[in-house]
Amino acid sequence: GNSVTQMEGPVTLSEEAFLTINCTYTATGYPSLFWYVQYPGEGLQLLLKATKADDKGSNKGFEATYRKETTSFHLEKGSVQVSDSAVYFCALSDPNTGGFKTIFGAGTRLFVKA
Amino acid sequence: DAGVIQSPRHEVTEMGQEVTLRCKPISGHNSLFWYRQTMMRGLELLIYFNNNVPIDDSGMPEDRFSAKMPNASFSTLKIQPSEPRDSAVYFCASRNTGAAKNTGELFFGEGSRLTVL
Repeated sequence: GNSVTQMEGPVTLSEEAFLTINCTYTATGYPSLFWYVQYPGEGLQLLLKATKADDKGSNKGFEATYRKETTSFHLEKGSVQVSDSAVYFCALSDPNTGGFKTIFGAGTRLFVKA
Repeated sequence: DAGVIQSPRHEVTEMGQEVTLRCKPISGHNSLFWYRQTMMRGLELLIYFNNNVPIDDSGMPEDRFSAKMPNASFSTLKIQPSEPRDSAVYFCASRNTGAAKNTGELFFGEGSRLTVL
């Protein structure tokens, strides 16, 4: 079945460090890919998305590129801030349901130290 | 614009009691999703509705769980009787799946944290 695998956390970085959170997916068809972020005590919110191969999604200094050849959608940020501490979820829209269902990875918790 | 509104934000109850969680989706969204989040199992899709009709409830763990959507602006998730292993954060999310407005984005509420003693 379709699935998303992301690197286990927690990831702990110092402020201004470079961030990479790996995400790979398995899907039949051509899903859209997403990164969601969850801050403490809140629901998930969309961070960025890409709808087709080679698309780059970007927002708030974060970016991810849809790589069909490696079935990956790694999240990167050049310089993290303490305020980026949160849980990050990689997700795809399930082609088997016409994109109706969203399948989430397990989440990666990021801690950024001042 | 108001986001997805869930109530209660926190619920503490005793095993065997009935629990009802409520959700008001974003106005104009025609699809609604209930998720459960735990440390052990992550984010699980329980059920989703399209135009108020349940489409897939295969994620509902047991018959103790039921969900309804009587109209476009309200949904409930009920657990009867509740058990300690139901303790989790329950999220409601909505989106617009109409062809012209379907960006694929899910909009989540802030969640209802349930503790069953």
